[in-house]
Amino acid sequence: GQNIDQPTEMTATEGAIVQINCTYQTSGFNGLFWYQQHAGEAPTFLSYNVLDGLEEKGRFSSFLSRSKGYSYLLLKELQMKDSASYLCAVRDGNYQLIWGAGTKLIIKP
Amino acid sequence: IAGITQAPTSQILAAGRRMTLRCTQDMRHNAMYWYRQDLGLGLRLIHYSNTAGTTGKGEVPDGYSVSRANTDDFPLTLASAVPSQTSVYFCASSPQGEGNQPQHFGDGTRLSIL
Repeated sequence: GQNIDQPTEMTATEGAIVQINCTYQTSGFNGLFWYQQHAGEAPTFLSYNVLDGLEEKGRFSSFLSRSKGYSYLLLKELQMKDSASYLCAVRDGNYQLIWGAGTKLIIKP
Repeated sequence: IAGITQAPTSQILAAGRRMTLRCTQDMRHNAMYWYRQDLGLGLRLIHYSNTAGTTGKGEVPDGYSVSRANTDDFPLTLASAVPSQTSVYFCASSPQGEGNQPQHFGDGTRLSIL
């Protein structure tokens, strides 16, 4: 079966750096997405990786290793507004998105 | 403001009743999707449509039906609601069903079946 694994919850301090990991096992691979979802709101797109390596977007970076079935989202200079759930999703060989359950990130002052 | 509109925002429904969740987008996206989101689980695809006039089944289609008569609208119908269909429902769209374009989400419908 297809599977996406992420930690359920993480805690970090304002101003620090946090890395949220995602491992996947899917039938085929056509890209990996990271989304942010604040409580009670819709998911919003953060980043996309299809080739190995690091994609940087301001305070957020996302890394992909296709051979290891592994990605991480790196958040720098954490702000209180970064408290949210972070969803990892993989587009499989049929171009369907398979979603992880999400990582709830708690930021403490 | 361009985007996806879902209605209603929330609803409490008696078991056995029929319910249609509405979804409209004004971005002229070809592909549209319905997901349900339950605590501790990832988003699960119910039905999708890659273009107007076509629909397909996702991971959890039983008890739900959809139609795609035009590009903008993608309603989701529960023919006879059951308590296990209590969930938050998200409609999403993307320019195409394939490629690197992300999906854009509506604000969701919170549905409780009693």
